[in-house]
Amino acid sequence: RKEVEQDPGPFNVPEGATVAFNCTYSNSASQSFFWYRQDCRKEPKLLMSVYSSGNEDGRFTAQLNRASQYISLLIRDSKLSDSATYLCVVNPSVGSRSASKIIFGSGTRLSIRP
Amino acid sequence: NAGVTQTPKFRVLKTGQSMTLLCAQDMNHEYMYWYRQDPGMGLRLIHYSVGEGTTAKGEVPDGYNVSRLKKQNFLLGLESAAPSQTSVYFCASTQSPHYNEQFFGPGTRLTVL
Repeated sequence: RKEVEQDPGPFNVPEGATVAFNCTYSNSASQSFFWYRQDCRKEPKLLMSVYSSGNEDGRFTAQLNRASQYISLLIRDSKLSDSATYLCVVNPSVGSRSASKIIFGSGTRLSIRP
Repeated sequence: NAGVTQTPKFRVLKTGQSMTLLCAQDMNHEYMYWYRQDPGMGLRLIHYSVGEGTTAKGEVPDGYNVSRLKKQNFLLGLESAAPSQTSVYFCASTQSPHYNEQFFGPGTRLTVL
């Protein structure tokens, strides 16, 4: 089993729809979680951190389910500009050793159609 | 602030040639990383550094060497390029890998013939 797994998609949804992706992780000791967005042929950029209590940033909601070991990203009222690949990132430990343990998922491709 | 910059942006090498990729950051970050990204495989860590003068191996270090002589620069070297090293290389930096985001450079597209 991969340490971090994502459905590669593509998810093809109409503008205005709500879409959600999950990302599962295998290390139950994982401490911090992030969602990054990567546009085609560009570098990844932070979309949002994922907090234990869940967090929302405008149309985006991130949640963490420690019991089932997954994080989720919900996008409401999707826009054409949301078309991108979404990478989940899991950091399994705290401290300097965690520098080498950050794991990126392979990404979920999202395509929003007019 | 320029953030994280990488040079060159594109390069074509022949098998056996050597080259150095340069990463520079102006955010005074302690941690710096080199990743490669291949289709369907996500980002894989090559080498990383937790501070000036330090380097360590990541997940896929073979065929690469690194140096961090100055805090703001992290160099990735390919001593004898192979076609398997054709990839997109991203450099990233962060002040704290646990709490803070990683800032990425724009990438270097390398083709080895």
